[in-house]
Amino acid sequence: EVQLVQSGAEVKKPGESLKISCKGSGYSFTSYWIGWVRQMPGKGLEWMGIIYPGDSDTRYSPSFQGQVTISADKSISTAYLQWSSLKASDTAMYYCARGSSGYVFGAFDIWGQGTMVTVSS
Amino acid sequence: NFMLTQPHSVSESPGKTVTISCTRSSGSIASNYVQWYQQRPGSSPTTVIYEDNQRPSGVPDRFSGSIDSSSNSASLTISGLKTEDEADYYCQSYDSSSYVFGTGTKVTVL
Repeated sequence: EVQLVQSGAEVKKPGESLKISCKGSGYSFTSYWIGWVRQMPGKGLEWMGIIYPGDSDTRYSPSFQGQVTISADKSISTAYLQWSSLKASDTAMYYCARGSSGYVFGAFDIWGQGTMVTVSS
Repeated sequence: NFMLTQPHSVSESPGKTVTISCTRSSGSIASNYVQWYQQRPGSSPTTVIYEDNQRPSGVPDRFSGSIDSSSNSASLTISGLKTEDEADYYCQSYDSSSYVFGTGTKVTVL
């Protein structure tokens, strides 16, 4: 079964760092793009960025460039999303999703279960 | 970048048909594929339509997608509405530098 399993919920204070993960299984992890999507409470979906684990080619939405870092460790089939200094406005659910096996932009076909990040003093 | 605008909400009775529009603000709707995602309350999104009108395996044929170049929009039609179809629906497309999600539509089954 093809699936993406994300790390558990996090509660952090403003200014703290954080790295959440997304582990792929049931397919060739290095052959598909992995995207990250933010959903703030009660709001819609926002694309943050995407990475190709095969060669770590990474693209960011202009809205998130410089605010987060996307990486991947292909040896353990895991993609990451990290912050160096969290803000209260980073409170949201974060989803990883599998993209295409070719061109960087296309459809997301498999989604992780989501990681809820709460930032509060 | 462009935007994808959807109606905020639609509602209909069980057994009826609803159609959700997704209008692209600039550039041709036909230039890049459109996908549709269903998100039930408290759950992750799932794909119901990809590449404008293709259904993933397991998605009932009550779901169909289309594009209309004259209105520069895509549409998701759900026929034979069921209570389980009550969810938020998002269209999604892309250009040469970004993915773009639509504003989202809440479907209520009365």
